[in-house]
This record gives sequence, C-alpha cells and structure tokens, in this order.
Amino acid sequence: QVTLKESGPVLVKPTETLTLTCTVSGFSLSNARMGVSWIRQPPGKALEWLAHIFSNDEKSYSTSLKSRLTISKDTSKSQVVLTMTNMDPVDTATYYCARTLPYYDFWSGLQYYFDYWGQGTLVTVSS
Amino acid sequence: QSVLTQPPSASGTPGQRVTISCSGSSSNIGSNTVNWYQQLPGTAPKLLIYSNNQRPSGVPDRFSGSKSGTSASLAISGLQSEDEADYYCAAWDDSLIFGGGTKLTVL
Repeated sequence: QVTLKESGPVLVKPTETLTLTCTVSGFSLSNARMGVSWIRQPPGKALEWLAHIFSNDEKSYSTSLKSRLTISKDTSKSQVVLTMTNMDPVDTATYYCARTLPYYDFWSGLQYYFDYWGQGTLVTVSS
Repeated sequence: QSVLTQPPSASGTPGQRVTISCSGSSSNIGSNTVNWYQQLPGTAPKLLIYSNNQRPSGVPDRFSGSKSGTSASLAISGLQSEDEADYYCAAWDDSLIFGGGTKLTVL
C-alpha cells in the first residue's frame, strides 16, 4: 500500500525558512522509475507545482520559485525534504507531496504524472 | 493567472455529459501531454487522466480526455452527484503547470 505523509511546522514567521518532510511507504526512493514532487495550494486557489526529485538525484524546480527552493532525499529513511527560504504570507498554503511517475510519449518525450498524494499539511505564514 | 486556462465553473444534472476545457499554448499543451486531476472537497487531488486520454486503473470509463493542438478537454458522461469536485489540468512548460481549476456542480 503506497502512502505519503507530510510533516512540518504549522506556523512560520515571515522571512523564516520552511522545512517540510515527506515520509513515504509502499515504494522505495531508490526505485529508478519513481520520484516525489511537492505541490502546494493556497486556500481557495489552484494547485502549484514546486519541485521533484528522482532516485538518480535528478531534480527540477518551479521556474518562478527556483531561487528559494531546495529538494533532497534520504533513501534510508524514505524521506524527501523541501526547504523554502524567505517565507512570506503569500506562501500560506496546503503543501502536498506526491509520488511522481515518468512515462514516455512518442510525440512529446518524457512526461510525468502524480499517482499517489499525501493528505497535505497546512502551513500558515504570519508574525 | 494560470498559463493553462480553464473555465472557473461548470455544471450539469445527473446523467448529463459535461466537458471541461483547458487552453494553453505551443510551449505547453502544444508540445506536451496533459494530465487531469480531481479534487473532492477537503481532500487531496486524485489522478483522473494521464497522457491526454489514459485512465489509471480504478477510474470509471465515464471519464475521458482528449487533446487537439494547444487545447485539451475532460469529458464526464453519466454525471453523478459524487463527481462534484474541482478539476485541474496539468502540462509541462518550462516547469510543470496546472490550470486554474474548474469547480463542477451537479445540480
């Protein structure tokens, strides 16, 4: 049974650094065909992809947030960690981690989808 | 404002067929595949369609996806009350992007 669970602070102050942990079970972070992404959703708003990481340590970041994000993994602990610096009230959101599977499309090349999601953790940025 | 444009709302009565559009550009939908996610109220999103028109196991065949040029569509036939949810399209651009979401109401 595949599960993902996010953990981290509920409240952070502006300018602080947010550190979130995604603990996975039911699959291994060393599996060559599997990765983990972070996605967030401000209250009442749309989803926003943040970053992903794969077993070979391939990483990719949102173009607009790249300077503030770092994603890493600890395969032995089955954990993926996301840090976001210089937090602002606009970063208030539910943060999700999701298992990310690559697939190959003949016309478009390598693509990805998210097949299992964590329950999400609400992070509020306020002084 | 998202690069992938979806209507903010859609509605239908039980049994009806509804479609939700997702409009993009040559740099995203025009050159990459589209995935669709369903988010029931108060829950995490769920994969509904991947690679434009592929359904994961367990997703009813009432749900179908299509893509043409720089636009994609999600169709739901035989609408049911439990289909009331937010629906998001997603595609790769210079990074992965989601549409603004469509709130589907079953009247």
